[in-house]
This record gives sequence, structure tokens and C-alpha cells, in this order.
Amino acid sequence: QSALTQPASVSGSPGQSITISCTGTSSDVGGYVYVSWYQQHPGKAPKLMIYEVSNRPSGVSNRFSGSKSGNTASLTISGLQAEDEADYYCSSYASSSTLVFGGGTKLTVL
Amino acid sequence: QMQLQESGPGLVKPAETLSLTCTVSGGSISSSTYFWGWIRQPPGKGLEWIGSIDYSGSTYYKSSLKSRVTISVDTSKNQFSLKLSSVTAADTALYYCARLPLRGYGSGPYYYGMDVWGQGTTVTVSS
Repeated sequence: QSALTQPASVSGSPGQSITISCTGTSSDVGGYVYVSWYQQHPGKAPKLMIYEVSNRPSGVSNRFSGSKSGNTASLTISGLQAEDEADYYCSSYASSSTLVFGGGTKLTVL
Repeated sequence: QMQLQESGPGLVKPAETLSLTCTVSGGSISSSTYFWGWIRQPPGKGLEWIGSIDYSGSTYYKSSLKSRVTISVDTSKNQFSLKLSSVTAADTALYYCARLPLRGYGSGPYYYGMDVWGQGTTVTVSS
């Protein structure tokens, strides 16, 4: 159950698009569709943004999208807005009904 | 709308047992379509999944914590609980409870993660 690998930080200007990667193995990200992404603002609980690789919960902006290729999942945010500045975490189902998180990525909107 | 609320001591002494409870409101913990879980976040660090439980008491734990963790459910009170024994300073964290939608069964239950979270409760391990 090693943590998934995410870049420590990414940045972009308002209106631009950014992508955050999340790399695991065939025993987690690569083996299942159960990959999700969370947004966490300072002092707040995480919020589900993407589930099952590419599905958006009701109420989440369509500027957020997810994908997966092999052992790497990605979160793309288009039309960056100041309110998108936050920490982002990926998670994946792993073997034996366990979950594993990525280390988190700090998004800075310049 | 379902809400989850963590409660428990904010300070625990080293080597003692950390005990937290999550109270579910706005819905039943006895639903067969969800698991319930605990996640923690050490100060300034990332999220760590601790374990999950369903209404029948089936549990799944992170392997590195398995020897110290017990998660239980009390359907009569619409609550589930976390006990973590032999705590050290490394267990100091913000502890969240959350709901995990069940997606099916293979060799075990499948879930994609957490769709509803509590606000979290801070636990400090210190003498």
C-alpha cells in the first residue's frame, strides 16, 4: 500500500488549463476504475471532485475532468479561477478493499 | 442531506488508546449501499486512509495500522467508531470520518472513495 505519486506543486494563470498526475501501479490505479480526486482548501474538509476516473458529482464544475492511462490518472482543470487554488489529492482502490491516497498537489493560481 | 460529525478527546497520552466516534445524521448507517470510513491528516501533511466498515460490521484496515486499529459500528445510535491503540506522537492528526459509496463486490467490496466527509477533529498525542 505505497502512496500514489503526485507532483508537489503546479501553477497556472487564470483562464489557463493545468493537469495534475497521479501515478500508481497495476495493483491500484492501473487495475481499477475506482480512482477519485479531492479538493481541499485550507482548514476545510476534502471535497470529492471526480470519482471512478472521470465522473463528476452533482454540483462540481465541468471545468474539472479526469482521465486515466495505464497506471497514471490525471485531473485537468480548465479555465483556471482564483477559487481553484487548493490542495488536490487522488485516491485509488487497491487490493483487499483498501484505499490509497496520493501525497497531494498544491495548486497555485498566479 | 447526510451529515457526519466526529467527536472524542482532543488530547491522548502516549501509549494510550485514541477513541473517536462519528455520528451520522440525515440518513441511516444501516444502508447496504455504503461503507463508512476513517481518514487522517497529520499537520501539514497528506491524507491517509485508516479503514472502513459496513453496517454489518465487516471491516477493512490499512495494513500498516491493522495491529492497532479497531473500527466498530452501532446501528442503534447511527454511529461508528475508531479505536487506535498504543498511540505515539506520529498519530497526532486531524481525523475525518466519511461515507464510502459501495460499487459492487469482487473478492471484497469495491468503493471509489469518500463522497461525504465530516468536518474533522484534531487529536494530539502528548503527555
